[in-house]
Parts: sequence; C-alpha cells; structure tokens
Amino acid sequence: GAVVSQHPSRVICKSGTSVKIECRSLDFQATTMFWYRQFPKQSLMLMATSNEGSKATYEQGVEKDKFLINHASLTLSTLTVTSAHPEDSSFYICSARAGTSGMETQYFGPGTRLLVL
Amino acid sequence: GQNIDQPTEMTATEGAIVQINCTYQTSGFNGLFWYQQHAGEAPTFLSYNVLDGLEEKGRFSSFLSRSKGYSYLLLKELQMKDSASYLCAVMDSNYQLIWGAGTKLIIKP
Repeated sequence: GAVVSQHPSRVICKSGTSVKIECRSLDFQATTMFWYRQFPKQSLMLMATSNEGSKATYEQGVEKDKFLINHASLTLSTLTVTSAHPEDSSFYICSARAGTSGMETQYFGPGTRLLVL
Repeated sequence: GQNIDQPTEMTATEGAIVQINCTYQTSGFNGLFWYQQHAGEAPTFLSYNVLDGLEEKGRFSSFLSRSKGYSYLLLKELQMKDSASYLCAVMDSNYQLIWGAGTKLIIKP
C-alpha cells in the first residue's frame, strides 16, 4: 500500500508553545489530506480536511486559529498546534488520499503523540 | 443523523474464527472500509467493499449488504498479533469517512 510518513512521532512541549507536525505522502501525490485526533480508548475524530493549494475545511468545534493547517504541495501537509495547552495532549494522525473521485482509500501516517506539560 | 455501530470488545481464542459486525446509517453510501489499529499506532487499511458480497484477502474477509446497512469482518486462524482494534468506516455521499468507535479484539492462547 501507499506510504505516509509523519514527523515527529512524539513531542513533549511546555504549555503556551507551538508545535508543528508534518505529514508526507512518500510514493504518491495526495490531493487530499486529513487530520485526525484520537484520545485514549476513543475513535478517530476528524479535525480538518485539506486539499492542495486551498484552505482547509474544519469540522465543527475545531478552532482553525488554534490548529493551523497548510497543504503546500501534493506531498506535504502540516498541522501547527498554536499556544498548546495540556488539554491538547493527544494522538494526532494524518491520512492522505490520492485522486479526486473521493473514493480512493485513505492511508494513514504513523501518528504523532503530543504531550503538553 | 449518521451512525456506525460495532461491538466495543470481543474475545476469541488463538486459531479460531471471529466475526466482527458493523451496522450503519449514513446519508449516502460510497463504500465501507475496515481498518486495523494496534494500541498506540495509527490505523492500517484492511479492506474496502462497495458492492454486496464477500471480499476475501488471505485470513481476512469482509462482507457487505447495502440493503441491510450491514458489514462484517471475518478473521480466520487467529494469531496473537491479531489482537487490536478494528474500525469500521463508511464513506457518505460527500465522500467523508464516518468512523465507528472500533471493536477491541482480545486473543487468548
């Protein structure tokens, strides 16, 4: 299957700092990338959908000024958690989808575990 | 509203067969996905069904009945490494994935 990388895999930061997470599709061009958050023992929660070259579409309840998403190229999307607080501690996972029909499989990155102290 | 239901937890014995069910009610249907997620890791793709019937892939098979809004994932010859959560997800008419809460599968020796 397609390969999606995510960096960093784990990050610990102080409250009030910003953290940037990168998501890359390594062997295909991802027209659409998705950012999810998952709390322990809970299902995936979609935060936002981003298409290359356009603004991300955020799900209800997700603050777009706090979670900045940039999908600058067909192989790279970044999520920046601005002014992180302990309640932002979670497992952040990106996924990427090739093509434009919408029916292509989403392939997930390995996830980034964020701990805000 | 949109809803995906699957059991919270199941237990099975190594070498046995287990069936994980998923029922859904969504606005439109563009396919159903099964993903496997080991603890602390991201989901990995297992299968995709868009037509009725059974899709077999090695020890794993996935079945779909669109008229019943029902799917199952069948795991044969269970191995300890199959202990994981199994997520059912349906793609709705807007091509958005609607996720179930996942079924935690515990394999006992």
